[in-house]
Formats: sequence, structure tokens, C-alpha cells
Amino acid sequence: SQQGEEDPQALSIQEGENATMNCSYKTSINNLQWYRQNSGRGLVHLILIRSNEREKHSGRLRVTLDTSKKSSSLLITASRAADTASYFCATVSSNAGNNRKLIWGLGTSLAVNP
Amino acid sequence: EAGVAQSPRYKIIEKRQSVAFWCNPISGHATLYWYQQILGQGPKLLIQFQNNGVVDDSQLPKDRFSAERLKGVDSTLKIQPAKLEDSAVYLCASSLRGEKLFFGSGTQLSVL
Repeated sequence: SQQGEEDPQALSIQEGENATMNCSYKTSINNLQWYRQNSGRGLVHLILIRSNEREKHSGRLRVTLDTSKKSSSLLITASRAADTASYFCATVSSNAGNNRKLIWGLGTSLAVNP
Repeated sequence: EAGVAQSPRYKIIEKRQSVAFWCNPISGHATLYWYQQILGQGPKLLIQFQNNGVVDDSQLPKDRFSAERLKGVDSTLKIQPAKLEDSAVYLCASSLRGEKLFFGSGTQLSVL
């Protein structure tokens, strides 16, 4: 089942610009994760933010979490052509127990043009 | 550290044939996942193992799909018989503590 909904579905920007992707979810969460998928490859974990955190940074990535709005955003600053990929958010429900099943969104396709 | 290994990388079969995928997770990772990803969609969990026990197989089409995790390490996913709608990328992932997942490169299956 899909819980996360990424917005926009597709994004095209120029190299050097910032890219912002949003994720909305439906139930209370334990944590929210962002993954990147290059064409034809597996997914790569980018960052995990817990329900009691509001913002997290990793290199050029900035993730925010607003649990009152059940939404998260991923900001990539100073984008590069190599950032071209699909980006997925995934949530772990606070009711998941020991299962910790990830619920995935449909992804945002980002194209960074040289 | 070595990543999650999957084989084969690509597979083309005709409908009603059988196919098997293999996965070797990162050493020490107790949790192993098989996902199906159809083009343009997010991953769909087929089955989750904790060591060699099944934690979640609620979305596994059990009439045609089967999976096992040998001795709590390697895993195989089988489809028999395959249907056209099984065409997808099959991703294996592993996790140490059930949070951050490490994915293999996937097997792209085409059913003709």
C-alpha cells in the first residue's frame, strides 16, 4: 500500500538551482526516510528523520518534517547533473511494532539539466 | 563493506515459464526484503524475513510466488508460472535494525 505522496511528480531544473520535493503521509509515523534511485538501479538511502525531529542536514540535502501537517520536504541545494534520479519518501508507522514496515510513495522524478 | 548482491541482472521469459532470483544480503543483516517495482511506481513489499522467519508476506501472490531464506542468509524468490503483469524490477534489500535499507541493483524481468 502507498502512504506517501510525493509532489511534484516530475521536476526539471538547471544545474546550480535548488530542487524541492514534498511528501505527504496519512498516519502517525515513527520516522520518515528519503531514498534516491538512479535509472535502472536500486535505491540508495539518503536521510532518516524521526518524528521528534524537525530538520536534518546531510551535505547538500536538507529535510524538514512537519508532523502536524503530516508532510516532509527534501531540498537539494546547488543541484548537479548527477542528482538526476527519482526520489522516494518512505514512512514507518508508529503502530508498526517490531515489523517496521516501510510504506513508500510514488516518487518524484528530478531532471537536472547541464 | 560489500553491498547487497542480486542475480541475474536481467531476465526475459515467456508467460507460464518459471523464474528464480537470488539475493545475498550484507553480512550480519538480519532483515531481508523482496520488493516488486513496476515502472513509474514506488517499491511494493512482497515479503520480509527476519533471519529465516517470515515477518510479512501479506502482498505476496502465494499462488505463483514463493520465497525462502536459506539458513538466514541468502534468499531466493521464485515465480511459477509467470504472467505478463509480473514484468517489473525485483529488488532485494537488507537491514541491520529494520530502519535504513540497503538495496541491491535489482533484477529486471520481462515476461513476453
